[in-house]
Amino acid sequence: GAGVSQSPRYKVAKRGQDVALRCDPISGHVSLFWYQQALGQGPEFLTYFQNEAQLDKSGLPSDRFFAERPEGSVSTLKIQRTQQEDSAVYLCASSIAGPRAGKLFFGSGTQLSVL
Amino acid sequence: DQQVKQNSPSLSVQEGRISILNCDYTNSMFDYFLWYKKYPAEGPTFLISISSIKDKNEDGRFTVFLNKSAKHLSLHIVPSQPGDSAVYFCAAGGSSNTGKLIFGQGTTLQVKP
Repeated sequence: GAGVSQSPRYKVAKRGQDVALRCDPISGHVSLFWYQQALGQGPEFLTYFQNEAQLDKSGLPSDRFFAERPEGSVSTLKIQRTQQEDSAVYLCASSIAGPRAGKLFFGSGTQLSVL
Repeated sequence: DQQVKQNSPSLSVQEGRISILNCDYTNSMFDYFLWYKKYPAEGPTFLISISSIKDKNEDGRFTVFLNKSAKHLSLHIVPSQPGDSAVYFCAAGGSSNTGKLIFGQGTTLQVKP
C-alpha cells in the first residue's frame, strides 16, 4: 500500500474487554514498531519486530499487552482485560531497513477509549 | 526518567519569521536525532534528521542544529508558513540495537498569517 494502514481508526471498549488493533505496514518494510501516545505526550515505544521476530518488547506496560507479526507483514496488538489507563492512541510505524533504521513511517493510529 | 525533553509546550510566530523549536536529551548513547511533524488525527511524519557526527543538517526551509556538548538540538524553520502549524516532536535513537526512537513531549507551533 501507499502508507502504513491501521484499523480500526477508533475503538471504544468497556473496561475488562479484550481488543485487537491491526497494522498493515508498507510493503517490503522489514521493521515494525508499536507506540502508545497518551494525550498531550509524545509517542512511547511498546515493541519492535524485525520481520516476524519480536526483538524488543521492553515497552509493553504489562502482560495484558501482546503483539504478533506471524508472517512478517501484518501485525496485531492485543490488549486483554482493558483498563481505563489503556486509553490512548496506538501508533504503528514501519521502516524499510533493519535496526537503527532511524526514519519511521507512521500510520494514523487507533484511538482507544476504555470506559 | 524523560530522556528527551521539549520544554516549550507551545510556540507562536508570525508568518515569514523564524521558528525555533528546542529539544534536550540526557542519554549520551544517542547517536541520531530526528524531527517529526504531526497534524491532528494523523500519524507523525518525518521532517529532518541529523547524525551525531554532524552539527548541522539543512533541507529547504528546515535546519537542524546539534550541540553534543550541551546535549541540545534545535529545529529552525525559515521562513515560517501557516501550513507549518502542527505539533513537532524531536526523537532520538541509537541507545539500543533495535532501532527504537525515544520521543519528546512535543511542541505545538502556530504560525499566524
